[in-house]
Amino acid sequence: AQKITQTQPGMFVQEKEAVTLDCTYDTSDPSYGLFWYKQPSSGEMIFLIYQGSYDQQNATEGRYSLNFQKARKSANLVISASQLGDSAMYFCAMREGPSGAGSYQLTFGKGTKLSVIP
Amino acid sequence: GAVVSQHPSRVICKSGTSVKIECRSLDFQATTMFWYRQFPKKSLMLMATSNEGSKATYEQGVEKDKFLINHASLTLSTLTVTSAHPEDSSFYICSASREVSYEQYFGPGTRLTVT
Repeated sequence: AQKITQTQPGMFVQEKEAVTLDCTYDTSDPSYGLFWYKQPSSGEMIFLIYQGSYDQQNATEGRYSLNFQKARKSANLVISASQLGDSAMYFCAMREGPSGAGSYQLTFGKGTKLSVIP
Repeated sequence: GAVVSQHPSRVICKSGTSVKIECRSLDFQATTMFWYRQFPKKSLMLMATSNEGSKATYEQGVEKDKFLINHASLTLSTLTVTSAHPEDSSFYICSASREVSYEQYFGPGTRLTVT
């Protein structure tokens, strides 16, 4: 079974509107972390937001927020007030194991291509 | 802080030659570095994990003798694609992690084209 599932290959959003990118995950480890990265056409991976499995509140970073629903194993990214520069590939990723105990691998989803329409 | 560089950003080589890609952490010590491969419009696939001073751990299906990884210092890891073939053409991305940190810092990637 896939560990990270992103079911939306592509999404369109009107400029200034909000958009939600879906991510579900599968793990039996009680300690894990969820990440979202943005990859523009230049190829660099830009870290957006992180959610730890024991975090009580949903993570927020500026216009990015993570809708973490632990029981449903979902970690959707919400981008508010979309901008043209938000057009890019977005990847959800998971680290299994506790933070602070060393470096762990990331497993990536297949990504969602977001296109912001002016 | 936490800047990772890769060199070269683009490289074209002929079949049968070897290519070395460098990954450097510029402002921190990276106890662990990761090498990923990404095909066009696809996700990142982890190739190997390298810890400074020890042998790299390769993912299943990745040929150790073809993709040589060296993590000689806390700021430098190299990936050498030996006897390159056109099917090795891809986007290679490294990331680096500090000790006791959940975050990986990614390099800008290297686009390899084998003709």
